[in-house]
Amino acid sequence: EDQVTQSPEALRLQEGESSSLNCSYTVSGLRGLFWYRQDPGKGPEFLFTLYSAGEEKEKERLKATLTKKESFLHITAPKPEDSATYLCAVQAGFSGGYNKLIFGAGTRLAVHP
Amino acid sequence: DAGITQSPRHKVTETGTPVTLRCHQTENHRYMYWYRQDPGHGLRLIHYSYGVKDTDKGEVSDGYSVSRSKTEDFLLTLESATSSQTSVYFCAISPRVDQPQHFGDGTRLSIL
Repeated sequence: EDQVTQSPEALRLQEGESSSLNCSYTVSGLRGLFWYRQDPGKGPEFLFTLYSAGEEKEKERLKATLTKKESFLHITAPKPEDSATYLCAVQAGFSGGYNKLIFGAGTRLAVHP
Repeated sequence: DAGITQSPRHKVTETGTPVTLRCHQTENHRYMYWYRQDPGHGLRLIHYSYGVKDTDKGEVSDGYSVSRSKTEDFLLTLESATSSQTSVYFCAISPRVDQPQHFGDGTRLSIL
């Protein structure tokens, strides 16, 4: 069964304290892995797409990496405005033109001054 | 931000009543999706559309129907709402099947 698991469920950091979020997956025929950020009361906001093992993407303090079994979202020197829930989703394959995304439950990140 | 508007943003209704949620886009994207988000479950796909009048079921479609009569509008209907359908509902769009999906800000639906 296709599955996406994110860890930890919640993470509390001090401002400037770097850390990583994990997204492990078991899917048949990975097409792509997506990272989203979600603020309270808002919809998920797209951050990155990774397509193949070894690929990396960066945006400001965030860096996403991908292996054959998991992805990491590294947060370097976080600021309070990085506080949000980070969602990982895997594109498991096409079926008649349907982009099937399987989402993890997310990691709630709180960055304190 | 992708031009996606969901309405209403909040709704409280009673068990057994019909409910329709609307998703309107201004991006002219072909693909539109309805998800529900519940604590501990992540986002789960209800229905999706790959063109006008072309729709199909997702993983949690029981109790829901959809319609898409225009490119810009995708409606989600709960024919007879139940308490288990209390959730936050998100609409998403994408221009092609291999492009990231972009989400609206959701509708918080409470069924008493």
